[in-house]
Amino acid sequence: EVQLLESGGDLVQPGGSLRLSCAASGFTFSNYAMGWVRQAPGKGLEWVASIRGSGGQTYYDDSLKGRFTVSRDNSDNTLFLQMDSLTAEDTGIYYCARDGRGTVTYFDLWGRGTLVTVSS
Amino acid sequence: DIVVTQSPATLSLSPGDRATLSCRTSLSVTSYVAWYQQKPGQPPRLLFHDASYRATGAPARFSAGGAGTDFSLTITNLEPDDVAVYYCQVRHNLPPGATFGGGTKVEIK
Repeated sequence: EVQLLESGGDLVQPGGSLRLSCAASGFTFSNYAMGWVRQAPGKGLEWVASIRGSGGQTYYDDSLKGRFTVSRDNSDNTLFLQMDSLTAEDTGIYYCARDGRGTVTYFDLWGRGTLVTVSS
Repeated sequence: DIVVTQSPATLSLSPGDRATLSCRTSLSVTSYVAWYQQKPGQPPRLLFHDASYRATGAPARFSAGGAGTDFSLTITNLEPDDVAVYYCQVRHNLPPGATFGGGTKVEIK
């Protein structure tokens, strides 16, 4: 079955760090660029970051650059998002998504998301 | 930065009605627009990409189109199962990135 399964969401204090994972199955992971999209409680979708299939190039929303790092392990079919210096505004559901064509085109497969809560 | 505006914010219609959702961008994105449906408690689901190309499994009652800065999603013969928030997403270059619109909530009267 083609699917994405996120994990790693947790309650973390402001200023803390968290590493999210996304396990892919049912497709050739290394052939696809991947991305992270987040959704604050009751709000809309926000693109966070993307990475090419080879892992050679990464792209970030300008407002997040420097705090978040996207990476991947193609040998283990896993996508990661390292999040540092977290603030309350980073609270939300983080979705892992597969890029439909190229890099940052559209997202044709989504995981169910993992919840990140930043609070003291 | 590109601004993506969806309207209306909420659409309240009766079963069988036709719903027309708008997505406008502050800069031309040629046809790099995708549409998603998000039902409560679920992740988004791709409906269309490249402005008008239907994704696998998207119902035929849904159609999409547009180019440049004006795009639309149309739902004909509205059903209770269509209750959801619909988002458009644009791709931009230099550097590559994505921007989502604020969403349109479709309700059934």
